[in-house]
Amino acid sequence: QKEVEQNSGPLSVPEGAIASLNCTYSDRGSQSFFWYRQYSGKSPELIMSIYSNGDKEDGRFTAQLNKASQYVSLLIRDSQPSDSATYLCAVRATSGSARQLTFGSGTQLTVLP
Amino acid sequence: EAGVAQSPRYKIIEKRQSVAFWCNPISGHATLYWYQQILGQGPKLLIQFQNNGVVDDSQLPKDRFSAERLKGVDSTLKIQPAKLEDSAVYLCASSFDRTGELFFGEGSRLTVL
Repeated sequence: QKEVEQNSGPLSVPEGAIASLNCTYSDRGSQSFFWYRQYSGKSPELIMSIYSNGDKEDGRFTAQLNKASQYVSLLIRDSQPSDSATYLCAVRATSGSARQLTFGSGTQLTVLP
Repeated sequence: EAGVAQSPRYKIIEKRQSVAFWCNPISGHATLYWYQQILGQGPKLLIQFQNNGVVDDSQLPKDRFSAERLKGVDSTLKIQPAKLEDSAVYLCASSFDRTGELFFGEGSRLTVL
């Protein structure tokens, strides 16, 4: 069973600060990595995808990938109260016909006004 | 573009009863997924279809859960008989292919009493 590990939190940051969310994975050959945001009572929505080592920026969000360390992170700059949600890390398997997408348990983020 | 449709949104049943959930994916999406999300956990894949064929059902409790995707479009997930531990949100998602971005429906929340 491929594993995806996240700190469950909760993580609290003040408005305007940088929130840093971390994720590690066990399948060394994984190639595709995703961050989903899930508001309470809602379904997950994709906010970032990353496929190669390094940083990928999209607005206030930056995803960072280090395949050697099997580590992926999400930075949220200028955090807003509307960013308060659970952030799910997901990793796509490289083996098997299904190319299964496995989710971590999520990190709950609260941005304090 | 219409999103992933699911019904019912909420269902309350007694243990040992049966329940069925329906999902209609985004038009043109070949891959359909059913995930189970227990409160405080990340989504767990139950079954994945490619068109109308099953590509992964390794985590589906086949003694009580069944799913089908007739004609490669909409899908039904059934639980019979339900147990208390089946209380969860059942999320349907679809993607263009097995490597594509997942789009989730709003989910079906099941409470088993």
